[in-house]
Amino acid sequence: QKEVEQDPGPLSVPEGAIVSLNCTYSNSAFQYFMWYRQYSRKGPELLMYTYSSGNKEDGRFTAQVDKSSKYISLFIRDSQPSDSATYLCAMIFNQAGTALIFGKGTTLSVSS
Amino acid sequence: ETGVTQSPTHLIKTRGQQVTLRCSSQSGHNTVSWYQQALGQGPQFIFQYYREEENGRGNFPPRFSGLQFPNYSSELNVNALELDDSALYLCASRREREAYNEQFFGPGTRLTVL
Repeated sequence: QKEVEQDPGPLSVPEGAIVSLNCTYSNSAFQYFMWYRQYSRKGPELLMYTYSSGNKEDGRFTAQVDKSSKYISLFIRDSQPSDSATYLCAMIFNQAGTALIFGKGTTLSVSS
Repeated sequence: ETGVTQSPTHLIKTRGQQVTLRCSSQSGHNTVSWYQQALGQGPQFIFQYYREEENGRGNFPPRFSGLQFPNYSSELNVNALELDDSALYLCASRREREAYNEQFFGPGTRLTVL
């Protein structure tokens, strides 16, 4: 079993839809959770950074962490064609940790 | 624009050759990490440099080596290239080791090994 599991999709939605992206993880020692967006032929860009269980909102994006279930989610409201990208979840054991552990990424396509 | 630059953009090598990839960190960032991203996969951690010292390494063989220079730019060297080394190589820099919330990735170098 991989440490971080993420459904690769692809996921296709119409413009304006609410998108839900998810990751599960196996090691309860993970403490910090991130979501990255990666456009084609670009490096990953940090979208959200969270620590505690619960929700964190930033504009149209909401990150949710449920440590008891070892499950994290990213919600995108009012999705736009510019949101079309690959979304990667990532996590680390603590801030002194050296390695981000990434999921495979979910490819999202938003059609206008 | 993140300020992290990588060169070259693309590279084609043959099996057995050696390659050097370069990363210029964002100004003021003293920590650089390197990742390998195979097609359709998430990035995998290769190693990290903090103030010119390697201070973390992933599950990669010794033929993957690196350097960080006094200006905090960095190099990734891969010897004896194998077909499976074909991937996008990403570097990421951050202001301090703990500052994952301020980590920026470069655009990557796409390496093809024939």
